[in-house]
Amino acid sequence: GAVVSQHPSRVICKSGTSVKIECRSLDFQATTMFWYRQFPKQSLMLMATSNEGSKATYEQGVEKDKFLINHASLTLSTLTVTSAHPEDSSFYICSASPPARTDTQYFGPGTRLTVL
Amino acid sequence: LAKTTQPISMDSYEGQEVNITCSHNNIATNDYITWYQQFPSQGPRFIIQGYKTKVTNEVASLFIPADRKSSTLSLPRVSLSDTAVYYCLVGSNTGGFKTIFGAGTRLFVKA
Repeated sequence: GAVVSQHPSRVICKSGTSVKIECRSLDFQATTMFWYRQFPKQSLMLMATSNEGSKATYEQGVEKDKFLINHASLTLSTLTVTSAHPEDSSFYICSASPPARTDTQYFGPGTRLTVL
Repeated sequence: LAKTTQPISMDSYEGQEVNITCSHNNIATNDYITWYQQFPSQGPRFIIQGYKTKVTNEVASLFIPADRKSSTLSLPRVSLSDTAVYYCLVGSNTGGFKTIFGAGTRLFVKA
């Protein structure tokens, strides 16, 4: 099956620093990638939809200047959490869809971000 | 966007068949139904997808009635390792597909 990787799997940073999370589709080209955030015991919350070569579409309530998304190639999307604060601590998950198949998403293993 | 409703939690015992039903009353004509499994601190894993009637793969079956307003994920002979959260999603390629996760169903499999 399709494989999506994320790096790093876990990161701890100090408040005020920026953290970049990478999402890669390893065996298929992904024209669309999605970023989610998940708090403990809660469901996944869609943050933004990322299309290769264009600006990401952010969900209501998600600050685009704080969560920078870049989808520069068909296999890589990055999420940068700028000036992170403790309330940004969460589990961040990306997913990728093959071309013309956004009804099927393949998820990465997730990145646990802890901001001290 | 079609909203989904699932039971919050279910309990089962090893070796039993588990059926989890999802309601999606306003599913659109082009929407597919997809089920995912998620373990703690992991990304969701694709289980099965269908449009109508019945779909079966090596891990599960998906039953979809003619009106498509609900679907049932069937897990045969569950084991302890099937303890997880199961999500049903509906969506399509058209109209700017966007995934909205519901609360999911927490399945506890007991020995």
